[in-house]
Amino acid sequence: DQQVKQNSPSLSVQEGRISILNCDYTNSMFDYFLWYKKYPAEGPTFLISISSIKDKNEDGRFTVFLNKSAKHLSLHIVPSQPGDSAVYFCAASPIAGNTPLVFGKGTRLSVIA
Amino acid sequence: EAGVTQFPSHSVIEKGQTVTLRCDPISGHDNLYWYRRVMGKEIKFLLHFVKESKQDESGMPNNRFLAERTGGTYSTLKVQPAELEDSGVYFCASSQGHQPQHFGDGTRLSIL
Repeated sequence: DQQVKQNSPSLSVQEGRISILNCDYTNSMFDYFLWYKKYPAEGPTFLISISSIKDKNEDGRFTVFLNKSAKHLSLHIVPSQPGDSAVYFCAASPIAGNTPLVFGKGTRLSVIA
Repeated sequence: EAGVTQFPSHSVIEKGQTVTLRCDPISGHDNLYWYRRVMGKEIKFLLHFVKESKQDESGMPNNRFLAERTGGTYSTLKVQPAELEDSGVYFCASSQGHQPQHFGDGTRLSIL
């Protein structure tokens, strides 16, 4: 039973446009959410996180939105660049730090020049 | 700062053999995690060390898997004997305090 779901296996976006990656979760105990980016043959790289006391966190071109009542979060990338092409994983845990992460299956983003 | 290092990057062994994976966390990180990704599915938690102690090993599939972290530095994950379903990419991650986990590039394990 998947607790973190990324229902879109892939997404294609034109360079310069906005990329929106979605993630849903089922466990009400999750209070801390992260996005990781993964290139082939490399490990996941931390992108951005958000705790449940916030509904938005921004870091440069990356913004994460959290809708706790809907158990939904999204990652916005604006503007999208070809180097953003990678697999994006949504992850969750009950607290920030010191606990294992529960991952979604990932969404493959392709940014087309 | 050196990142999380995993060795080997790729291992191919036959069913029934033994394989040992190694992870060197970022220096000073007390938390060390092992995860596994099988056939393009989600990355799944295996176990968590805090220094040399096993904090949580609820994700370990069975007793063919043995993890150690002697001295609280590097960690090893041994699979003995390996079965076909053990194939996948094994990731190690480390963290300190409330900071996000940093991942290594993984070991791709293929069981023939």
